[in-house]
Amino acid sequence: DAGITQSPRHKVTETGTPVTLRCHQTENHRYMYWYRQDPGHGLRLIHYSYGVKDTDKGEVSDGYSVSRSKTEDFLLTLESATSSQTSVYFCAISDIASGRALLSYEQYFGPGTRLTVT
Amino acid sequence: GENVEQHPSTLSVQEGDSAVIKCTYSDSASNYFPWYKQELGKRPQLIIDIRSNVGEKKDQRIAVTLNKTAKHFSLHITETQPEDSAVYFCADRRGGSNYKLTFGKGTLLTVNP
Repeated sequence: DAGITQSPRHKVTETGTPVTLRCHQTENHRYMYWYRQDPGHGLRLIHYSYGVKDTDKGEVSDGYSVSRSKTEDFLLTLESATSSQTSVYFCAISDIASGRALLSYEQYFGPGTRLTVT
Repeated sequence: GENVEQHPSTLSVQEGDSAVIKCTYSDSASNYFPWYKQELGKRPQLIIDIRSNVGEKKDQRIAVTLNKTAKHFSLHITETQPEDSAVYFCADRRGGSNYKLTFGKGTLLTVNP
């Protein structure tokens, strides 16, 4: 599982409330990503991080913010949750594989967080 | 890459038959093409990938082929088994994109015993 955990695994919240999802990794990977998965849309990138305090937007970043104050944690925040943000959220990691012979592009996913906004 | 089209969206085969899923990408700078398998309620898992300097890669019953000229790549599963039933996603990565992947919308494969 590449040492990735997500918390919480399930959450139900009301419209307008703030929500923070946490992705935690134990293997010092440089790159971390947040995706949302919805039926008929596949996996869509929300935000990603390429180092501590280095983040950038993905294709569906509106309504979301992220922070990465230390290598192992990447937080996704919904400032004011809306029903359209009901989804399954996956964190992923990848690495430029320091010490290996080849650059590694593989992404490995966490177990996911099911968020329901009522 | 900017856009990845995946077909078909659903595929039903008999156990023992072959299954083929095809993806088309738009950016000629794309250089890495992974395939993920996602079982119901689970996380996507990388099953095979290919880089742009290779035309084909095999791993037991699964193979991926890449046609750079036509900008498409395909997943081939031979001798399908019921445990191959899952949603399969293709993706591509454009060079210099900070390791971002763009995913297709997925194919639901059902293998009937």
